[in-house]
Amino acid sequence: EAQVTQNPRYLITVTGKKLTVTCSQNMNHEYMSWYRQDPGLGLRQIYYSMNVEVTDKGDVPEGYKVSRKEKRNFPLILESPSPNQTSLYFCASIRLSAGANVLTFGAGSRLTVL
Amino acid sequence: DAKTTQPPSMDCAEGRAANLPCNHSTISGNEYVYWYRQIHSQGPQYIIHGLKNNETNEMASLIITEDRKSSTLILPHATLRDTAVYYCIVRDLHNTNAGKSTFGDGTTLTVKP
Repeated sequence: EAQVTQNPRYLITVTGKKLTVTCSQNMNHEYMSWYRQDPGLGLRQIYYSMNVEVTDKGDVPEGYKVSRKEKRNFPLILESPSPNQTSLYFCASIRLSAGANVLTFGAGSRLTVL
Repeated sequence: DAKTTQPPSMDCAEGRAANLPCNHSTISGNEYVYWYRQIHSQGPQYIIHGLKNNETNEMASLIITEDRKSSTLILPHATLRDTAVYYCIVRDLHNTNAGKSTFGDGTTLTVKP
């Protein structure tokens, strides 16, 4: 099944403990992106990648890192998580070569930082 | 990308058409209009998109005004399962900022029995 897979789906952690949220897609999509969703603030883009080894900041990149060493994977790294990073995170991908530019989203990862 | 404005909430009776408006008055000539929906806290799901012509697929119809400054998503026969948050976004597929995408707060559609 064509999909975007995020792990973990749920995580409770403590301030300062580094964590990585993985994102993998099996559709050979060039583009991948991370969003966070908070009540009343909609979906805000954190980072995106147009292809392997190419990443760019979205609207809210502070406190996050990403890497794109392989086409299928786009991990989100929180080097020193803080409570204000408690949120629902979504990974998404697009096959740019298909022309329609439609985002396919993962199921989400709910992160709580204590 | 152009900013969009949507009403925060709407109600619709089950079986009736749901018409969800979106204003995008600053849309540029190359920007497409996309609609997604999010049920509970699941990942948003693509519905439909268009440039200037009206579009229809198995899920919905998209009506774009002639000046392209607004659009309406139509769910022809709403069911309880269509209760969700609906997002309208605009994107230029070809400019250097094609990677950026901004979702607003969307419209919470509640379909009532």
